[in-house]
Amino acid sequence: GDSVTQMEGPVTLSEEAFLTINCTYTATGYPSLFWYVQYPGEGLQLLLKATKADDKGSNKGFEATYRKETTSFHLEKGSVQVSDSAVYFCALGGNTGKLIFGQGTTLQVKP
Amino acid sequence: DTAVSQTPKYLVTQMGNDKSIKCEQNLGHDTMYWYKQDSKKFLKIMFSYNNKELIINETVPNRFSPKSPDKAHLNLHINSLELGDSAVYFCASSQDQAGPTDTQYFGPGTRLTVL
Repeated sequence: GDSVTQMEGPVTLSEEAFLTINCTYTATGYPSLFWYVQYPGEGLQLLLKATKADDKGSNKGFEATYRKETTSFHLEKGSVQVSDSAVYFCALGGNTGKLIFGQGTTLQVKP
Repeated sequence: DTAVSQTPKYLVTQMGNDKSIKCEQNLGHDTMYWYKQDSKKFLKIMFSYNNKELIINETVPNRFSPKSPDKAHLNLHINSLELGDSAVYFCASSQDQAGPTDTQYFGPGTRLTVL
């Protein structure tokens, strides 16, 4: 079945460091790919998405490119801030309408 | 205005009790979902409803029963609560009968603790 694998956390970075969170997927058909973010004590918010191969999603300085050849959707940000500390979820949306999530990656950014 | 709201935010109860969690969305969406997040933050879909009709029913114990009185509300009733039901339950909604591109909007979650 469809699945999503994310790099294990926690990831600890200093402010202004470069961030990469790896995400790979297994799917039949042509899924959409999403990154959601969960700040402490809150629900999930959509960060960005890409609906077809080679699409790049971007928001708030974060980017991810849908790579069909490597089945990947890695999240990147050039310069993280303390306020980016959160749990990041990669997710796959298929034709059934349900989202399949990776296990989440906790990011801690220190001043 | 909160787009997707859930009540209660926290729920602490004894094993064997029956409890309900309510969800409401004011986005005018047609599809609503329940997800369960375990202690390791892993998220898994439980149910989805489109315009009051059950669409997705994952392998969830039949002690869990969703009810959608109208397309803006999706409640979750849990009978005979067990320790393993302790988790954070998230409600979500999306615009149409969810296709692969639809964005889902999540509520703040209900933290259920079964003692």
